[in-house]
Amino acid sequence: ETGVTQTPRHLVMGMTNKKSLKCEQHLGHNAMYWYKQSAKKPLELMFVYSLEERVENNSVPSRFSPECPNSSHLFLHLHTLQPEDSALYLCASSPGQGMVYGYTFGSGTRLTVV
Amino acid sequence: QQQVKQSPQSLIVQKGGISIINCAYENTAFDYFPWYQQFPGKGPALLIAIRPDVSEKKEGRFTISFNKSAKQFSLHIMDSQPGDSATYFCAASRRENTNAGKSTFGDGTTLTVKP
Repeated sequence: ETGVTQTPRHLVMGMTNKKSLKCEQHLGHNAMYWYKQSAKKPLELMFVYSLEERVENNSVPSRFSPECPNSSHLFLHLHTLQPEDSALYLCASSPGQGMVYGYTFGSGTRLTVV
Repeated sequence: QQQVKQSPQSLIVQKGGISIINCAYENTAFDYFPWYQQFPGKGPALLIAIRPDVSEKKEGRFTISFNKSAKQFSLHIMDSQPGDSATYFCAASRRENTNAGKSTFGDGTTLTVKP
């Protein structure tokens, strides 16, 4: 365990379903991130939260909706997804204060849209 | 516009050899350069990182070489082992006004170490 826990590990959903991905960290970090990792593509930043406030939305379609109820939890709500949204969704956290530090990633949720 | 370019895309090395992965960046505002290691089914894990005030950092068999004037940095894996077989990502980071920090990743290098 890295200190960042993602659930579920695998998810298969139809295009009309609504589901949520969950991320939890107890590292005392103030910043949390959602990344999308597709085959043959670099890691794509989706959302950034700092102290529970969304500070970046990287032109992500509205069918992805993030939520950060507190500094330890981050959700990604999914609805009416497309097959091209199938990917590994990674949550990460960082201290988020002062100097920049590396990320601690979770193991990801492997999403398949059918 | 890709801000961090990583090469090679894949690398095959014999056990005991040296693995070298290179990255180049464009934005001089970057002030933190981490490398991540990712095994199948896992998220990337921070391996080693460097800040631009030093030219080299070594941790065990892993060394980062940093050339600020050329805007390039590289990862060297000495005495490469089959267990090092993984995908390696370089990244370049800078602190945002929000204090969140933001990393831009390279495309990744798949390393295979043959026994």
